[in-house]
Parts: sequence; structure tokens; C-alpha cells
Amino acid sequence: DTAVSQTPKYLVTQMGNDKSIKCEQNLGHDTMYWYKQDSKKFLKIMFSYNNKELIINETVPNRFSPKSPDKAHLNLHINSLELGDSAVYFCASSQVHEKLFFGSGTQLSVL
Amino acid sequence: SQELEQSPQSLIVQEGKNLTINCTSSKTLYGLYWYKQKYGEGLIFLMMLQKGGEEKSHEKITAKLDEKKQQSSLHITASQPSHAGIYLCGAIGEGSSNTGKLIFGQGTTLQVKP
Repeated sequence: DTAVSQTPKYLVTQMGNDKSIKCEQNLGHDTMYWYKQDSKKFLKIMFSYNNKELIINETVPNRFSPKSPDKAHLNLHINSLELGDSAVYFCASSQVHEKLFFGSGTQLSVL
Repeated sequence: SQELEQSPQSLIVQEGKNLTINCTSSKTLYGLYWYKQKYGEGLIFLMMLQKGGEEKSHEKITAKLDEKKQQSSLHITASQPSHAGIYLCGAIGEGSSNTGKLIFGQGTTLQVKP
């Protein structure tokens, strides 16, 4: 069983569209994260939720809205997609003070 | 804000050679993680270091954290093609110990030529 699974793996869409990426973890972790990896492979945190509560919200455009229906799920919704949103988005989970487990990533391409 | 800088940014070695990747922090490290990423895949946890002077090994990979806890090195002995990938160091940022937020270096891309 995959510990942290995110879907879809690839997402190709037009500018201006709205899209969602889903993430689920079956590790029983309290904390989940969204990271963005740019074309230079630089990985930067976007959001973090602990027990469905938002605890980290980095400087991210408000077109990005995370949603955590329960502590095993953290979805990312993006409105009005722009070319600069093209990147690989990683979901991760952990218990605080412990290592992060990452999903396999969602490659988003905005045309 | 805390920053991590990795060097080199990319590395090409012949199979069987040893190599070292460095990760330097602008501030004291409270926890240093090494991850490996293969193309099209997620990050795989390698090792975590917390104490100054700590050293850990797994198979042919050894990671160290210096005494001052501002620099870590990852050493691979007798490299193999399976070691190829992107190596990222991550650290718990200052003031983030209660959130678990990791900041990452820019990564080191390793190619191993057979």
C-alpha cells in the first residue's frame, strides 16, 4: 500500500482553468504538507495542516486553496491557473519532529 | 530566514568512485534530513542527523553533521548507477520546531557513469 498517494500524476491544462490535486495518507500522521518544486528542482513549502487545522501558510497566491476534510486528506485547489504555476507539486505527511513521507508528485503543466 | 546551500549543484562521477555532497546552513541546524529523488518520483528519506558531530551510515552512504551544527556532508563510497538522482538536504527552520516545517537546499544532481 502506498503511504502517501496523490492524484493525478500528470496534469496538463490551459491558462485560466481551475484544477485540483488530491492527497491521501494512510500512515496515521497528524500533519500534512504541500510543497512546490520548480524547474530548478528547488523545493519550497506552501501549506501545512495539523489535524485539519492550517498551521503554515507561506507566501502563496490566494488562487491556491488547500482543503483538509480529515487528517488523512489534504487537497490543493488552484483557481485561474497561470503559466508560472507549472511545477511539480508534492504532498507529504509526518508526525511533528519526525521525517516527512512524500507522495510521488503531480507534474502540472499550464499551457 | 534560514537558508540551505548545497554544493556542488551537479556531479558526474565514474562508477566506483567516491563522492561528497555538502549542505551549509545560514543558521544553526536543529535537525538535518537527507532525501533522494529519482526522476518522476517522490523523495525518499535517507538519514536524519540532530546532534553536533553525529554520523550515520546506511549501506554505502554516510552522512555527518559538524560540531557547530551548521554544515552536513553526504558521502557515497564506490558509487553505482543506482545512486544516481537528486540529493536534497532539508532542515527544520528556526522557529519551526513545533510545526515540522522543512526548508530544503536547491538539490545536487548526481549522475554515475557505468
